[in-house]
Amino acid sequence: DAKTTQPPSMDCAEGRAANLPCNHSTISGNEYVYWYRQIHSQGPQYIIHGLKNNETNEMASLIITEDRKSSTLILPHATLRDTAVYYCIVRDWMDSSYKLIFGSGTRLLVRP
Amino acid sequence: NAGVMQNPRHLVRRRGQEARLRCSPMKGHSHVYWYRQLPEEGLKFMVYLQKENIIDESGMPKERFSAEFPKEGPSILRIQQVVRGDSAAYFCASSPRVAGESYNEQFFGPGTRLTVL
Repeated sequence: DAKTTQPPSMDCAEGRAANLPCNHSTISGNEYVYWYRQIHSQGPQYIIHGLKNNETNEMASLIITEDRKSSTLILPHATLRDTAVYYCIVRDWMDSSYKLIFGSGTRLLVRP
Repeated sequence: NAGVMQNPRHLVRRRGQEARLRCSPMKGHSHVYWYRQLPEEGLKFMVYLQKENIIDESGMPKERFSAEFPKEGPSILRIQQVVRGDSAAYFCASSPRVAGESYNEQFFGPGTRLTVL
């Protein structure tokens, strides 16, 4: 079972920041937080990951609370093409299987 | 560098037939994963393979499903005697072999949509 909780849906206006929350209150010290997204029916796309520090790349920023029990994915200037289902996943880096456990995700709708 | 390739993209089978789904990982990737996505649901892990070895098949149904990743050629997910409940999108992902790395980004293919009539 997924170890994360996300709101089922959110929306934001095009050009504004989209802030997607994720709760992972049972996260352990070995577990990373990953974000993937799935646009329409395509294969999931990796966005970003982090352990305890905030992370930023060309796609998004990841803010992890100090106690690591929750995180927020930030799309700074959302576009219509960012409409997708966003999945927050925690994975133990010592798990040699490397499998990803997907939950239900957040369906983000970016409005024109 | 081509991405993960899956074929066919769409597959229609009648109940009782066999379905073979193929996945060619990205060049240089030696880890392959298969996931299944039922309509309106998230992806569910099925199996993790390295060349010629099944590493984790904890998500595979006990009967009718099998997977392989031979030394040469694509990974194959085989479903025997398909039933309507097997209708789903099947996604393959691959990742590189990075010894000691703390994470392994998975690159997903476009999926194969299986419809069982």
